[in-house]
Amino acid sequence: GESVGLHLPTLSVQEGDNSIINCAYSNSASDYFIWYKQESGKGPQFIIDIRSNMDKRQGQRVTVLLNKTVKHLSLQIAATQPGDSAVYFCAENMEYGNKLVFGAGTILRVKS
Amino acid sequence: SQTIHQWPATLVQPVGSPLSLECTVEGTSNPNLYWYRQAAGRGLQLLFYSVGIGQISSEVPQNLSASRPQDRQFILSSKKLLLSDSGFYLCAWRLDLGEKLFFGSGTQLSVL
Repeated sequence: GESVGLHLPTLSVQEGDNSIINCAYSNSASDYFIWYKQESGKGPQFIIDIRSNMDKRQGQRVTVLLNKTVKHLSLQIAATQPGDSAVYFCAENMEYGNKLVFGAGTILRVKS
Repeated sequence: SQTIHQWPATLVQPVGSPLSLECTVEGTSNPNLYWYRQAAGRGLQLLFYSVGIGQISSEVPQNLSASRPQDRQFILSSKKLLLSDSGFYLCAWRLDLGEKLFFGSGTQLSVL
């Protein structure tokens, strides 16, 4: 069935470097995408979202890029900090918006 | 402001025992409500969602059921737990379809 997947299950970066987490989606009808951050033992926290009528959106230290041609989503974190270490999930809004389907997740490890 | 409460935080239950997890949302009306399950080190699997009182959509055939007896209350239940029901259960809400989800703090369920 339709699904959202991630290319890299684990990403290790040096503190201060930029991080890029990628996500591929398969449902071309999806029109809304979200990135979440989850720390161990906690519920996911919203980071940033983007609708399909945009290809880029920026937040504080984070940028989401959407390439609808190849059905690819990415999260860029500038000047990665130790507090950014967590699991990152992309999510895709499907079924006329009723369902939010999550990808498998990427572990981000920040080395000091 | 809106808040979501989920309890208990941890639960250890024997195989074959019943289950009841509760989730309530405060500060809003007619939210869309969701139950997700997360296996250790894995992504989030959508179990149930509800767009109104008494309206439950089930995503996967399983040993669990959900109910929404009141507008802002969502309950996850089982009559007889299986070992495979172990996991991290997350309740979430959003006001409108096509918007971001807000998650509760989760319940870690261990079935022994």
